[in-house]
Amino acid sequence: DTEVTQTPKHLVMGMTNKKSLKCEQHMGHRAMYWYKQKAKKPPELMFVYSYEKLSINESVPSRFSPECPNSSLLNLHLHALQPEDSALYLCASSQDSAGGTQYFGPGTRLTVL
Amino acid sequence: QKEVEQNSGPLSVPEGAIASLNCTYSDRVSQSFFWYRQYSGKSPELIMSIYSNGDKEDGRFTAQLNKASQYVSLLIRDSQPSDSATYLCAVNVAGGYQKVTFGTGTKLQVIP
Repeated sequence: DTEVTQTPKHLVMGMTNKKSLKCEQHMGHRAMYWYKQKAKKPPELMFVYSYEKLSINESVPSRFSPECPNSSLLNLHLHALQPEDSALYLCASSQDSAGGTQYFGPGTRLTVL
Repeated sequence: QKEVEQNSGPLSVPEGAIASLNCTYSDRVSQSFFWYRQYSGKSPELIMSIYSNGDKEDGRFTAQLNKASQYVSLLIRDSQPSDSATYLCAVNVAGGYQKVTFGTGTKLQVIP
């Protein structure tokens, strides 16, 4: 089973709202990732969690706040977003941080009004 | 020079033909290489990973890696219209952490 799940599938929010994206995997993977993807562009890495600790933050604005409650769950808390933050947000996981294969969830399509 | 380069396409091939997708990378110590397929509006789907020089085959797909030339390719035999998608090459960047850099992708169109 190589399934990564994400909720919600679609999200529309205003610039003053607070919302959260959720990601879950049950493959026993110890590394989890958040990516942002704009139309016709490749996925852009935002955060990496390795063994539930934040290991990479790619200089992401503080209006995006990641959280890893346990080894299976990854959240992305959103606050005071801008319209340019509208994108497909992808979660991925890999077995560990040693160069293994990343498996992607279906993504959350976010629209900021 | 970009870390991972791909021709953006579109690459058009007739149904049943072989599609050849190419990718070059700049970091000589990269160890892991991946091909993903992405349909419009969907998330990337892993096609194949390759770690050693040479060819790796999986069904209609063959990945080829040449570390000396810093080149990785994907061949799709007997191309089908359902193969029409954007193909992303991804390379693990050296440094200890699991950070993958994606190429900009090649759009493949298989013409019936």
